Amino acid sequence: AQSVTQPDIHITVSEGASLELRCNYSYGATPYLFWYVQSPGQGLQLLLKYFSGDTLVQGIKGFEAEFKRSQSSFNLRKPSVHWSDAAEYFCAVGAYSGGGADGLTFGKGTHLIIQP
Amino acid sequence: NAGVTQTPKFRVLKTGQSMTLLCAQDMNHEYMYWYRQDPGMGLRLIHYSVGEGTTAKGEVPDGYNVSRLKKQNFLLGLESAAPSQTSVYFCASSGGRDSSNQPQHFGDGTRLSIL
Repeated sequence: AQSVTQPDIHITVSEGASLELRCNYSYGATPYLFWYVQSPGQGLQLLLKYFSGDTLVQGIKGFEAEFKRSQSSFNLRKPSVHWSDAAEYFCAVGAYSGGGADGLTFGKGTHLIIQP
Repeated sequence: NAGVTQTPKFRVLKTGQSMTLLCAQDMNHEYMYWYRQDPGMGLRLIHYSVGEGTTAKGEVPDGYNVSRLKKQNFLLGLESAAPSQTSVYFCASSGGRDSSNQPQHFGDGTRLSIL
């Protein structure tokens, strides 16, 4: 069974500083990887996804993530954060087996706090 | 374009009561999912469906039943609600067999409290 670990429960970053959120996964085959963002009281919005190809993936809102198979990681980065980036961030791995999509396994989330 | 719509948005139940949560999607997606979100736990898959008339168990299926009678709708039922089912429930959908690389689209959630 697949699993996702987000080692940081909370991260505090100053506005304008760079950001890296860590994600490690465990999966027996080539993973499908996702980052979602959730603002308070809202649903989940997809930031970016990796299925295959280029290991550096660009997403919305200036985010990017790099897939590193050797480290089983899919870290999310942003060069300069804005106060509006304060939210909960979830990394997820998908199992697409047998022509079906068996649902996502999520990490427990990282709560991002932006200091003025 | 509504995407994924969940009904209701909020509900308070008493222990032992039953209810059904409705999820509707207008993207003609094959796959639909129900997750629950609890503090510090992320989202966990309850049940999912890979097509009309089919359902399958996820990670935490106990105490829940689902039905997919129409392609666009996925219902989650609680037959006898328990306080442990207090949670935020999210529905999601994604494309079908010819588009297995599609991400999941989420609804805005249903906040359910069981007293």
